[in-house]
Amino acid sequence: AQSVTQPDIHITVSEGASLELRCNYSYGATPYLFWYVQSPGQGLQLLLKYFSGDTLVQGIKGFEAEFKRSQSSFNLRKPSVHWSDAAEYFCAVVGVGATNKLIFGTGTLLAVQP
Amino acid sequence: KAGVTQTPRYLIKTRGQQVTLSCSPISGHRSVSWYQQTPGQGLQFLFEYFSETQRNKGNFPGRFSGRQFSNSRSEMNVSTLELGDSALYLCASSLAGQGGSGYTFGSGTRLTVV
Repeated sequence: AQSVTQPDIHITVSEGASLELRCNYSYGATPYLFWYVQSPGQGLQLLLKYFSGDTLVQGIKGFEAEFKRSQSSFNLRKPSVHWSDAAEYFCAVVGVGATNKLIFGTGTLLAVQP
Repeated sequence: KAGVTQTPRYLIKTRGQQVTLSCSPISGHRSVSWYQQTPGQGLQFLFEYFSETQRNKGNFPGRFSGRQFSNSRSEMNVSTLELGDSALYLCASSLAGQGGSGYTFGSGTRLTVV
């Protein structure tokens, strides 16, 4: 069965510091992978997605993620965090060839210290 | 182009009542899927509609139902509301029938059952 693990429930970083949010997935075939961000009381905004090709994916707001098939990981990174990045981040997977059913991780809540 | 529109944004209902939520997808998108988000269970898939047909259903009781109209707009209905149905309900719009076309989420409907 498909699953997504985000091992860090809560992370605090200082403004200007680098960030890496971890995501591991379990899926027997080639997955489509996504990172979404959610501000309090809001919907989900797509940061980036991996479908195929280059394993380093660039997204909006200066985020990037790297797909590592050997580690079943899709970690999200940002070189310098801004206070406005404080939000909850969700990693999600859907199977190639499967119907639309996103499987989400439990999320990582990011706090940014001034 | 307009994004995904969910109405209403907020709802307060009493136990035992029923509720209908609406989702208008991005123009040209034929797939609409629904998710429930709660602090305890996270983001869980409810069901997906494509061209007016339900193609996939999550593990929710029969009190949760939905439909899709010929213009791709979708509604979900929850009957005999329980306190545990209090959640943020999100819908996602997708162009085609598979994960590769990506998903755009609406801002959600916050349902409170008292």
